[in-house]
Amino acid sequence: TQLLEQSPQFLSIQEGENLTVYCNSSSVFSSLQWYRQEPGEGPVLLVTVVTGGEVKKLKRLTFQFGDARKDSSLHITAAQPGDTGLYLCAGAASGSARQLTFGSGTQLTVLP
Amino acid sequence: DTAVSQTPKYLVTQMGNDKSIKCEQNLGHDTMYWYKQDSKKFLKIMFSYNNKELIINETVPNRFSPKSPDKAHLNLHINSLELGDSAVYFCASSLRGAGEQYFGPGTRLTVT
Repeated sequence: TQLLEQSPQFLSIQEGENLTVYCNSSSVFSSLQWYRQEPGEGPVLLVTVVTGGEVKKLKRLTFQFGDARKDSSLHITAAQPGDTGLYLCAGAASGSARQLTFGSGTQLTVLP
Repeated sequence: DTAVSQTPKYLVTQMGNDKSIKCEQNLGHDTMYWYKQDSKKFLKIMFSYNNKELIINETVPNRFSPKSPDKAHLNLHINSLELGDSAVYFCASSLRGAGEQYFGPGTRLTVT
């Protein structure tokens, strides 16, 4: 069974601060996705990383896939209250792109 | 023009009842999924369905059954509901092999 552990589980910060969320596994994934979920809604895809060492930027969000494709990080610069939400990483195993394994989630609260 | 829709949004029912949740996607995707999100926000895949190929998570009780009348719909039927079935259920869809999944808004099921 592939497991994805996210840390921290909860994070509460002030507007303007920087933060990093980690997603770790002992398994290798062919790709890794990050989703954000807001209360009462389904997760929304933010980014997909495929290549080991890949870095993708989405405005103030920077996503990195580990060289060995076992881990990933999400860094937010100058967090804003609109960044508040549940961040989920999800890995796809080789040969099974349809089957995603979701991480345990990080609940981020950005205080104004 | 919602991409993935689910009905109902809320479902409150008594133990032992049988209920269904409907899901429709208008994205032209060929693969659909059902997920269960528990009170700790852990998102766990239950089923994936593509062109009559059904992949079942082995931990899902056989009281749960997906039914697909056509490529745009994957409904979830639950028999003999139990208290532990209370959760938020999400439908999702994707293109085969693409990995990126698009989620519906969720159905909050409460079994009393």
